[in-house]
Amino acid sequence: GAGVSQSPSNKVTEKGKDVELRCDPISGHTALYWYRQRLGQGLEFLIYFQGNSAPDKSGLPSDRFSAERTGESVSTLTIQRTQQEDSAVYLCASSLTAKETQYFGPGTRLLVL
Amino acid sequence: AQSVAQPEDQVNVAEGNPLTVKCTYSVSGNPYLFWYVQYPNRGLQFLLKYITGDNLVKGSYGFEAEFNKSQTSFHLKKPSALVSDSALYFCAVRDLSGNTGKLIFGQGTTLQVKP
Repeated sequence: GAGVSQSPSNKVTEKGKDVELRCDPISGHTALYWYRQRLGQGLEFLIYFQGNSAPDKSGLPSDRFSAERTGESVSTLTIQRTQQEDSAVYLCASSLTAKETQYFGPGTRLLVL
Repeated sequence: AQSVAQPEDQVNVAEGNPLTVKCTYSVSGNPYLFWYVQYPNRGLQFLLKYITGDNLVKGSYGFEAEFNKSQTSFHLKKPSALVSDSALYFCAVRDLSGNTGKLIFGQGTTLQVKP
């Protein structure tokens, strides 16, 4: 079946602009995660959604970052007033439940000039 | 605090030779351990996981990993490396401190297989 998809695959923006990243999870997966991968580093957890429960936002690095998910479908990660330090690959993952294996999308490569 | 360490930034092996990519972990409680592979400009692909049971776990593409509780290690292995195995490998442990199931990743190890 279809895997996790993300769009856009690449995004170049100017410092100070807002960007919106999209994630389509695997159908039926109730859990959805956003991670950030900076160049040459491992992945950092950003936010977690489980069904209609309140999300776990503990990994968001600043209040410029926010995310939404409607039910068990698409999620969007928004970064306001982007900074050069936000340049990274943003990866989305989904799993049947929080206890199951996470499957990752191809990521969105964000470059802030 | 829970953590994962991958002590080698890069591992070089010749095609046909066995390979090992090292991973050690620190968790309070029973660990849930994972290996993922990332090819250039691609997302992470799941290779294998250890939850419970046999210490030797077999996964995709001929990879396996050995869970060693006494050494708190979960090294990735393959008996005979292929050039196409060249990629970035991540070890991860599930965070047990909450209910999110979020993964804590090591820094990654680049595997270079030379013909």
